[in-house]
Amino acid sequence: AQSVAQPEDQVNVAEGNPLTVKCTYSVSGNPYLFWYVQYPNRGLQFLLKYITGDNLVKGSYGFEAEFNKSQTSFHLKKPSALVSDSALYFCAVRDGQTGANNLFFGTGTRLTVIP
Amino acid sequence: NAGVTQTPKFRILKIGQSMTLQCTQDMNHNYMYWYRQDPGMGLKLIYYSVGAGITDKGEVPNGYNVSRSTTEDFPLRLELAAPSQTSVYFCASSYADRGPGGELFFGEGSRLTVL
Repeated sequence: AQSVAQPEDQVNVAEGNPLTVKCTYSVSGNPYLFWYVQYPNRGLQFLLKYITGDNLVKGSYGFEAEFNKSQTSFHLKKPSALVSDSALYFCAVRDGQTGANNLFFGTGTRLTVIP
Repeated sequence: NAGVTQTPKFRILKIGQSMTLQCTQDMNHNYMYWYRQDPGMGLKLIYYSVGAGITDKGEVPNGYNVSRSTTEDFPLRLELAAPSQTSVYFCASSYADRGPGGELFFGEGSRLTVL
């Protein structure tokens, strides 16, 4: 069975400081990993994904994520946080072995960037 | 280019009423999905479709029905509304040719309250 865990419901960081939003996953086959962001009263927006290749993936708005197979993690990072980064962040995984039909989401982490 | 469009944005139903949430996309995506989002629970897949005329159940299909008569449209039907169906519903779509690595494009959501 596939699953995603986001261990922190809330992350607070000062503007200008680096931020990390954690994600760990569990799949049977090769993982396809995604990060999405949700602003208030909006749909989810795609940030970045890992399929294969370089473990460090760069995405939209200066975000990046590092795939770590041994730790089964895919943490989202940004070197310098902006107030406008405050939002709800979701990690998601598909199991490459079982197919393309379901994307399993974590429960979300609310990021607050403090001015 | 509108992307994924959902209607209505808000709706209040009485227990036992029926309604249809509409979803249409103009990106010629073969894959379409319906998710529900409950506080602290992430997103759960209700139904999905890999093409016109083909639908299948997700994690939480009970109380819902779907149809896919065209590539563009994927309506979600609630037959006998129950308070447990109070949620925010998201429609999404993705490119079939990207397989499990394809990111989802989300609509803005439909907030449903059943009283």
